[in-house]
Amino acid sequence: AQSVAQPEDQVNVAEGNPLTVKCTYSVSGNPYLFWYVQYPNRGLQFLLKYITGDNLVKGSYGFEAEFNKSQTSFHLKKPSALVSDSALYFCAVRPHSEAAGNKLTFGGGTRVLVKP
Amino acid sequence: DSGVTQTPKHLITATGQRVTLRCSPRSGDLSVYWYQQSLDQGLQFLIQYYNGEERAKGNILERFSAQQFPDLHSELNLSSLELGDSALYFCASSVSQRTSTDTQYFGPGTRLTVL
Repeated sequence: AQSVAQPEDQVNVAEGNPLTVKCTYSVSGNPYLFWYVQYPNRGLQFLLKYITGDNLVKGSYGFEAEFNKSQTSFHLKKPSALVSDSALYFCAVRPHSEAAGNKLTFGGGTRVLVKP
Repeated sequence: DSGVTQTPKHLITATGQRVTLRCSPRSGDLSVYWYQQSLDQGLQFLIQYYNGEERAKGNILERFSAQQFPDLHSELNLSSLELGDSALYFCASSVSQRTSTDTQYFGPGTRLTVL
């Protein structure tokens, strides 16, 4: 069974500083990895995904994530955080196997607070 | 706006009651997924439908059921409601069922409060 860990419940960062949200995963075989963001009273918005190929994936709103197979990690990064990036971030994994279905397994979420 | 719509936005009901949550997928998407977000369980997959047929089941209680109609909208039925069923219920959609690379796009959710 697959699982996702987001070791930090909350990340605090000053506006303009780099932002990193950590994610590690466990899955049989190769993973498909996703990041979503949830703003207050809103649904989950897709940020980016890793399928195959280049380990550095670029997504929406200036976010990027680096896939590291040896460390089974998929950390989300943004070079310069904005106050508007304050939200709840979720990492999710889905295995390649069709037998596992298309369901996403989510981490517990990391709340990001960007202070002016 | 993801293009996935869910109604109602909020639902308040009493224990023992039955409710129906509705989801319309993005135009062209054939797969619909239901997820539950609660404080203690986090975000959990409930069930997936593809073109009217059940495709995968997750941690869905027997008191819960879902279906996908010919126009591809889906309904999640929750019965004999308990306090612990209070949660945010999300619907997501994607183009297909077999392409695991498909992105799932989420609706705004229905917040269910059971009193």
